[in-house]
Amino acid sequence: DADVTQTPRNRITKTGKRIMLECSQTKGHDRMYWYRQDPGLGLRLIYYSFDVKDINKGEISDGYSVSRQAQAKFSLSLESAIPNQTALYFCATSDPAGVETQYFGPGTRLLVL
Amino acid sequence: DQQVKQNSPSLSVQEGRISILNCDYTNSMFDYFLWYKKYPAEGPTFLISISSIKDKNEDGRFTVFLNKSAKHLSLHIVPSQPGDSAVYFCAATLRGTSYGKLTFGQGTILTVHP
Repeated sequence: DADVTQTPRNRITKTGKRIMLECSQTKGHDRMYWYRQDPGLGLRLIYYSFDVKDINKGEISDGYSVSRQAQAKFSLSLESAIPNQTALYFCATSDPAGVETQYFGPGTRLLVL
Repeated sequence: DQQVKQNSPSLSVQEGRISILNCDYTNSMFDYFLWYKKYPAEGPTFLISISSIKDKNEDGRFTVFLNKSAKHLSLHIVPSQPGDSAVYFCAATLRGTSYGKLTFGQGTILTVHP
């Protein structure tokens, strides 16, 4: 079984809709991250969380919100989706001993029409 | 402002030859660098890393070189294999203060031909 899972894997939605992307991990890591990947831009950090009570904005947090429901679960929400949020979204985890080495989920491909 | 840049979007190499992927950075405070590899429909996976106190790190067929004065790092794959065909991302961070925040480059698509 995968250590970091993301649901859904693919999603098509319409402009203005609210959508939630979910991430679960079985690695027991405290730290979790949400990234988006766009062609030509690499991966950019949206939000990160060190534990359930500690959530921080990344470089591109506008238009997104997150919820850390438990150590193992970290959800990303688009309150009102817009077309330029069409991207590939990745969740990642790391542990304090090796924070730089992050373990990524398989990604969610989101299309906003 | 792109602090980590991979200026070659793609690279094509013959099986058995050397693949060299390049990465430049602008923030001289970065002190730890990583390479990730990504196959289609999968998330990136950690490949190799290097601390700024070193100029070379080797792991099997993969070697990363760091030139701090030029703010440049490169990944060498020798010999290249078809299974190495993937997107390669370099990433950089400032240990101790960035809490694992990585800054990624745009990625380079490597194609290794049989």
